[in-house]
Order: sequence, then structure tokens, then C-alpha cells
Amino acid sequence: AQSVTQLGSHVSVSEGALVLLRCNYSSSVPPYLFWYVQYPNQGLQLLLKYTTGATLVKGINGFEAEFKKSETSFHLTKPSAHMSDAAEYFCAVSAASYQKVTFGTGTKLQVIP
Amino acid sequence: DAMVIQNPRYQVTQFGKPVTLSCSQTLNHNVMYWYQQKSSQAPKLLFHYYDKDFNNEADTPDNFQSRRPNTSFCFLDIRSPGLGDAAMYLCACQGVHGYTFGSGTRLTVV
Repeated sequence: AQSVTQLGSHVSVSEGALVLLRCNYSSSVPPYLFWYVQYPNQGLQLLLKYTTGATLVKGINGFEAEFKKSETSFHLTKPSAHMSDAAEYFCAVSAASYQKVTFGTGTKLQVIP
Repeated sequence: DAMVIQNPRYQVTQFGKPVTLSCSQTLNHNVMYWYQQKSSQAPKLLFHYYDKDFNNEADTPDNFQSRRPNTSFCFLDIRSPGLGDAAMYLCACQGVHGYTFGSGTRLTVV
């Protein structure tokens, strides 16, 4: 079975500051890991994913995440926050590419002007 | 170009009155999912299909049913909506690159 834990249901950063959203996973097999973003009253949009290979994954909108097996972590970062980054972010895990995905509880990112 | 389309975007229904939410996809993906998402919570899986093979999550209430008449379309039927069923309902299909979600249907029960 797979699960993810997102630390911090709400994160506030100033515009231009570093964004760091934390995610730890639990998986009995090598995990597939994802970050999704959700804007109000919208579906989820894939930001980036890790399957195999390079542990630093770059996604859309300047976000990236690093897979750290020793720490069972997949934290999401962005060097400089923009107002348009304000949204809810979900970390997710699955066992393989066609297996169902389990979502974390989400982190709401607030960007302060 | 929308690839997973959910209709309607907003649905208001009366307590106990059956309601159907629809989802269509142009990606020709075999796997489709219905999720329920309540405010500030993670999406919760209700059903998934691999082609026409239907899979019901163990804790999905009997009040919820689903139909998939062909690859492109999938429906979520709520037989007798209660106030607790008010939520965003998300449809997704899955290909080799992962999930593609629709924009969701926001269901209000009055």
C-alpha cells in the first residue's frame, strides 16, 4: 500500500521568496510520485512527476521536486514565488504508471504581496 | 483544447432527487476515475474503470453508481443525494503520462 503525508496544510510566503512544500511517502515498492496543483473550482493539473531515473524533476511554472529515497521525501520547491502560484498543492503516489493514485491532504499556498 | 470534459460545471439538486454527472474524454484512454472532493480535503476515489471493467472502492456508498457505455463517456449517478454529498466531483482518465483531470462538477444539495 502507498500513502503520502504533506506537512503543513497552509503555507504563506512573500512574493519573490522561496516556496517549499513538504511531502513524505510510504510505499512497499519503488514509488511513482506526483505533484498536482488545484486552483479554486478547477480540476487538478499535473505539475511534475517522478518515475525512474534522475531524482531532480523539473515541472511547469518553474517548480521542481527532488526524490530522496533515504528520506522518503519528495518536496516541491520554487526559487521565487509569484502571486499566480497561490493555489492548493497535492502530493500523490502510485505503485506503477497504470495504478490508481493516492493523494495527500493538500497544502494551500498563500503568496503575500 | 479540453481533453476531459465534465458537465455541468455547477449542479444544484434537491435533497433526495436523483442526479447524473457526466464526463467525456478525447484521449482514448482505457482507465477512468471518479473522485469526490470535499472542501479542503484530498480527492477520494469512488470508482475506476479499466476499459469496461468496473471497480468499486470498498467504502463508496451504495447511493453512488457509475456507468461507462463506451471508452469516451463515463457517468456518475447519485440516486438519493443527501446534504453530505455536496462536493466537487472530479473525473480523470489515465494514460502513460499519468492522470488528466476534468474541471470538475461542483454539486450543491438543497
